[in-house]
Amino acid sequence: DIQMTQSPSSLSASVRDRVTIACRASQNINNYLNWYQQKPGKAPKLLIYAASSLQSGVPSRFSGSGSGTDFTLTISTLQPEDFATYYCQQTYNTYSFGQGTKLEIK
Amino acid sequence: QVQLVESGGGVVQPGGSLRLSCGASGFTLSSYDMHWVRQTPDKGLEWVAFNRYDGSDKKYADSVKGRFTISRDNSKDTVYLQMNSLRAEDTAVYYCARNEYGDYGIEAFDLWGQGTMVTVSS
Repeated sequence: DIQMTQSPSSLSASVRDRVTIACRASQNINNYLNWYQQKPGKAPKLLIYAASSLQSGVPSRFSGSGSGTDFTLTISTLQPEDFATYYCQQTYNTYSFGQGTKLEIK
Repeated sequence: QVQLVESGGGVVQPGGSLRLSCGASGFTLSSYDMHWVRQTPDKGLEWVAFNRYDGSDKKYADSVKGRFTISRDNSKDTVYLQMNSLRAEDTAVYYCARNEYGDYGIEAFDLWGQGTMVTVSS
C-alpha cells in the first residue's frame, strides 16, 4: 500500500500570507496526486488534480507542483474562506489520502 | 443541479448490516465510475470501494473486503454499499464520490455527496 504523509499537520497563518503544504508518497506515484479542501461538516472539494492542474472553478491562488514522491500545494494569498483542512490523495495504485493539514487563522 | 445524495446511515449493532444508497442527479451516472469513501476523526479519509461505470469491475479496501459490497442500478441513478458483519471500527461518515479521468487519464474524485453517518454500537 502507498502511504501519504503530509506536513505540517497544522499551520497558523494570516490573511494575505503565502502558504505551502507538503505531501510525500512512500513510493513513486509520478503525478497521480490530487489535493482536496474540506471545511467543517462539509464534503471534500477537489482543488488540484494530476499534481498541478487546477480544477474548474477553483481560484488561481491555488497551485500544485511536484512529481515522483514529493508534492506541494501553495496558496499564494490567503483569503478568509481558505481556512480549512487540506488533503492530498494518490490514485496511482488504488487510492489513499494523507492525514490532512489543518490551516488555522493566526 | 449536479449532485450526489447519500442515505441509509444510522445506528446498528456489531455484527449487523446496513445498506447505503447514493442518488445521482444532473448527470448521467452510467458514464461514471463511482467510489465510497469514509471518514473518522482518528483515521481521516479512507477509500472504501470502487465500481466501474457499467458494474463490470469492483475494488475494495482490505479493511472491508469480504464484508462490504458495492453495486449500482444505472436505471435508478443510484449506487449502493451493502455493509455486513459491521464492527465498531466501521463507525464513520460515509461519502459517495464520482470518479473523473483528467489529464493523462489520472483519476480524481470530482463530485462528493454530503455524507451519511454510520454508527456501530451496542
